[in-house]
Amino acid sequence: DGGITQSPKYLFRKEGQNVTLSCEQNLNHDAMYWYRQDPGQGLRLIYYSQIVNDFQKGDIAEGYSVSREKKESFPLTVTSAQKNPTAFYLCASSIPTGVFGTDTQYFGPGTRLTVL
Amino acid sequence: ELKVEQNPLFLSMQEGKNYTIYCNYSTTSDRLYWYRQDPGKSLESLFVLLSNGAVKQEGRLMASLDTKARLSTLHITAAVHDLSATYFCAVVRDDKIIFGKGTRLHILP
Repeated sequence: DGGITQSPKYLFRKEGQNVTLSCEQNLNHDAMYWYRQDPGQGLRLIYYSQIVNDFQKGDIAEGYSVSREKKESFPLTVTSAQKNPTAFYLCASSIPTGVFGTDTQYFGPGTRLTVL
Repeated sequence: ELKVEQNPLFLSMQEGKNYTIYCNYSTTSDRLYWYRQDPGKSLESLFVLLSNGAVKQEGRLMASLDTKARLSTLHITAAVHDLSATYFCAVVRDDKIIFGKGTRLHILP
């Protein structure tokens, strides 16, 4: 089955720690995205990548970092510089025609990060 | 600055009724998406609207786009309990995508 997987489903972090969230897709999509969702809010874009070895900052990139070494994988690191990291993190992919594409974005199941 | 407003933010309705969710945005856009999210779950893509006058339908849901009015609507026909969820619109312009805050829809059996 094709799709997007994220791990872990739940993640607890102590203040001052860096953590990495995994996102893998086998849809052969070129574009991948990371979003953050806070309770009662819509999504906000953290980073996106349209092609391997290239990525761009979204609206709230501060305190986050990404890499795109393989087409299938787009891990997100939440660094200690992110002051309020507790949130629901969603990864997505799409076939891009222009930024974000004209086609459907497929979302992973999400990772819920809690800072203790 | 691109802003997106949805209304209502919360809607409780009886099964069998019709209703419309509105998505207004502040500047011209390239495309507009509608998504569904069940509690604690990820997002499911419903519709992608690309041009003025675009209308798409899937089951009891129909989405339309009026780029001149900067307005998209998501119409629910003869609502059923299974449609209870939060619905988001998202607007793309250049390299920005902005989501509305979502409309939490609760359909009473």
